[in-house]
Amino acid sequence: KQEVTQIPAALSVPEGENLVLNCSFTDSAIYNLQWFRQDPGKGLTSLLLIQSSQREQTSGRLNASLDKSSGRSTLYIAASQPGDSATYLCAVGSNDYKLSFGAGTTVTVRA
Amino acid sequence: SAVISQKPSRDICQRGTSLTIQCQVDSQVTMMFWYRQQPGQSLTLIATANQGSEATYESGFVIDKFPISRPNLTFSTLTVSNMSPEDSSIYLCSVPGQGVWNTEAFFGQGTRLTVV
Repeated sequence: KQEVTQIPAALSVPEGENLVLNCSFTDSAIYNLQWFRQDPGKGLTSLLLIQSSQREQTSGRLNASLDKSSGRSTLYIAASQPGDSATYLCAVGSNDYKLSFGAGTTVTVRA
Repeated sequence: SAVISQKPSRDICQRGTSLTIQCQVDSQVTMMFWYRQQPGQSLTLIATANQGSEATYESGFVIDKFPISRPNLTFSTLTVSNMSPEDSSIYLCSVPGQGVWNTEAFFGQGTRLTVV
C-alpha cells in the first residue's frame, strides 16, 4: 500500500520568502504525482501534475520536482504572498487513477 | 479539464438519518471516485463508482453504509447512511483527465457534512 508523507506539517514565513514543501512516498511504481491546494472547508484546486516520466513541472511561481527512485517530490513556491496561505496536498497516482494523499502542509504567509 | 458540481455544498444532519450527495460532471467520464476527508485529516478513497455495475469499495468502507449509484457517465450519488457524528467530514467526488497524457485529477468543491 502506498504511504505518502508530507513534511513539514505546518510552515509560517514572512511575505516574500520562498517556500519549500516536501513529499515522500514508499512505492516508486507511480503513475503520476499531483500537487493540490486546499483552502479551509473547501475542495481541491490542482496546482501541478508531474507524469512518472517527468522530472519537474513549472507554472508561474510554482515549480515541482519528482525523483521517483528516491520516492520524493518537492514543491517550490517563489516569492510567497499572503494569498498563498492554504494547505498543500501531495497525491500519488496509480495506473488505475486512484490517488493516495499525504496529510498536507499548512502554510501561513505573514504580511 | 472537467467541471464537477456537487450538491449540497454543506449540510447539518441528525444522527441516524441519511444524506445523499450528488456529483454532476460536464462531460462523459468512465471513472468517478468518492473521497472522504475527516476533520484535520487527509483524503481517503471510499469507492470507485462504476457505470452499469456495483461500486468498488476500498478497505474499511461498505456498501450498506455508503451506497453509490452511477446511472450514467456524467452523474453519481453517494449516500451516507445511518449517520453518526463520526461521519462528519468533507465528501468529494473526483474524475481523472480523459486523455492518454492528461491524467490530472479534478475534484468537485466538496460537501461539508456535520452530524449532530
